[in-house]
Order: sequence, then C-alpha cells, then structure tokens
Amino acid sequence: NAGVTQTPKFQVLKTGQSMTLQCAQDMNHEYMSWYRQDPGMGLRLIHYSVGAGITDQGEVPNGYNVSRSTTEDFPLRLLSAAPSQTSVYFCASSYWGGAEKGNEQFFGPGTRLTVL
Amino acid sequence: KNEVEQSPQNLTAQEGEFITINCSYSVGISALHWLQQHPGGGIVSLFMLSSGKKKHGRLIATINIQEKHSSLHITASHPRDSAVYICAVENYGGSQGNLIFGKGTKLSVKP
Repeated sequence: NAGVTQTPKFQVLKTGQSMTLQCAQDMNHEYMSWYRQDPGMGLRLIHYSVGAGITDQGEVPNGYNVSRSTTEDFPLRLLSAAPSQTSVYFCASSYWGGAEKGNEQFFGPGTRLTVL
Repeated sequence: KNEVEQSPQNLTAQEGEFITINCSYSVGISALHWLQQHPGGGIVSLFMLSSGKKKHGRLIATINIQEKHSSLHITASHPRDSAVYICAVENYGGSQGNLIFGKGTKLSVKP
C-alpha cells in the first residue's frame, strides 16, 4: 500500500492564481481530511469528508473548496490564492480500528505552499 | 484559550534521559492521540488512548480522563527521538476522526 499520497510536494503561486492540491489513499478509508500547519500553531482542520459524496467544513474553510467523488481521492482547491494561505498542507485519512486503536490516523507527506 | 495545551514547547535532553511531555485539554473527548512529526515533516501516529496507559517500546502514554491530562514518556532517550510530538483530541460528539491539535513539543536529544 502507498498509504496517503499528496502532490505536489512544493508549490509557489502568485496572488490570485488557483490550483488544486491532490490527495489519494489506497486503504479504502471512508474518512479523509485536510489540515494546514502554520508556525506556532497546531494543525487546523480545513475540510473533511466522511465518505464519497459527503464533505463538510472544518475550522478554517474560507478560500478552499473540496469534493469527494471517489473513496480514494480528496482534492483541495484554492480558488484565488492569497499570501495568508502560505502554509504546509496535510491530507489525512482514518478508519475505525476498534476499541484498541480508535480512529487510527494516517497522514500524507505534506505540501509546502508559498503564495507571493 | 486553546482547547489543547502542551508543555513544554521546547525540550532539550541528553541521550539516555527520561523525558515527559504533557498535554491538557478543556473539552470532553472520546479519545486522545499522540503523534510524532519528523524533522522532514512527516507525521505518524504513536498512540490512541481513551483510558489508562499504553506502552510501545520505549514510549509510554498515560491519560487521566477526570483531570483531562495526558503524558507521553520516553525512556532512555536517543538522538533519533528528536522530533515534534503532537497531542490531539477527538472532541466527544464531534465528527468521527476530526482532531483538535496542540501546538506540539519540539524535542531535541543530544548525544
């Protein structure tokens, strides 16, 4: 299994450009999520999905869109990039591993995004 | 006030020392996770706790639900343990899998 994969690893955008961060998992997990990590702050939830066709907003959804057409893929779209969206983005998936493991979390390697 | 607080923020230890990282939370939880973020950025799950204590190798995690507190201990620390350790909680009644994260504790173990 490849686990959770993200592309690209690095990206530089100009203000106003749009782009899509890709996330895929091959573990058949129903739950997927996007987080951003900023210096001095904990990871913050942007959007999440509990299954194909179902998405919902997290703590910091503004400026981002998501869709979940398949169990495997959960892309994150930046509609019009702003410098405030400079961050490291992590995609994660999880499944219920029973009472012992709970919702075991699997993270992608991250995408480092810079918006100029 | 952050819902999940970790202490210390930074920790430097000598190889072989016993290390404790603390996590306090202010919300009702269904589970607490300890994660490790490597210097290269990757995040891996270490433990999930809903009660009591778990041990994996040199790592021990405990949780006290009544006091809303958890600790991560590393015995016989090694330079390869240098990483950021992150505490995260699943808010009771929240959507399955949604986590609230602490800011992390950066551990550096010197040889």
